[in-house]
Amino acid sequence: DIQMTQSPSSVSASVGDRVSITCRASRDISSWLAWYQQRPGKAPKLLMYSASSLQSGVPSRFSGSGSGTEFTLTISSLQPEDFATYYCQQSNSFPITFGQGTRLEIK
Amino acid sequence: QVQLQESGPGLVKPSETLSLTCAVSGGSVSSDFYSWSWIRQPPEKGLEWIGYIYSSGSTTQNPSLKSRLNLSIDTSKNQFSLKLSSVTAADTAVYFCARLASSWNYLDSWGQGTLVTVSS
Repeated sequence: DIQMTQSPSSVSASVGDRVSITCRASRDISSWLAWYQQRPGKAPKLLMYSASSLQSGVPSRFSGSGSGTEFTLTISSLQPEDFATYYCQQSNSFPITFGQGTRLEIK
Repeated sequence: QVQLQESGPGLVKPSETLSLTCAVSGGSVSSDFYSWSWIRQPPEKGLEWIGYIYSSGSTTQNPSLKSRLNLSIDTSKNQFSLKLSSVTAADTAVYFCARLASSWNYLDSWGQGTLVTVSS
């Protein structure tokens, strides 16, 4: 299985800050990477796919980059509704695997 | 807009079989562009992909669960189902159903999730 490792595991930030979350794959996954946002008690919501494609309806302050083994999700200017847990997911090979999550908290 | 809704018992005894169904509305499980997935999340933990099924009945399953797992689909009812046998406390989780886009294998629509507790 491909292991996905996110860093940091948690981060504190303020409204208006720029935040980046990193996801590393244990082997080359090309651009087969998606990002999800999960608020407490809710289902995950797709933000990005193919590493850098923005899902329809997702605000443009979210962006994704990377290929191969290292990927980044960036939120350009944090809004109150962005405080949540974020997961990366690889689909280069099965089984599909997720990162352990990054919790974004209000400072 | 497609909507998915999980249903099934919230409490299952150890060694028994966990059974869940996902009803799909606003879209068809017969679509050639999507397959239909299950994902679970133990309390306060991360996400684990369980498997997916196509409208043809073809499946891909997580090897860690494959020996206990049965996935099925009913195109006439526009729903798909999961059965997990010989459950233990480690199978306690919120179970989500989701649509998997075949282009890049991302999960673009999710059900709200249902908590299944394994306990006697």
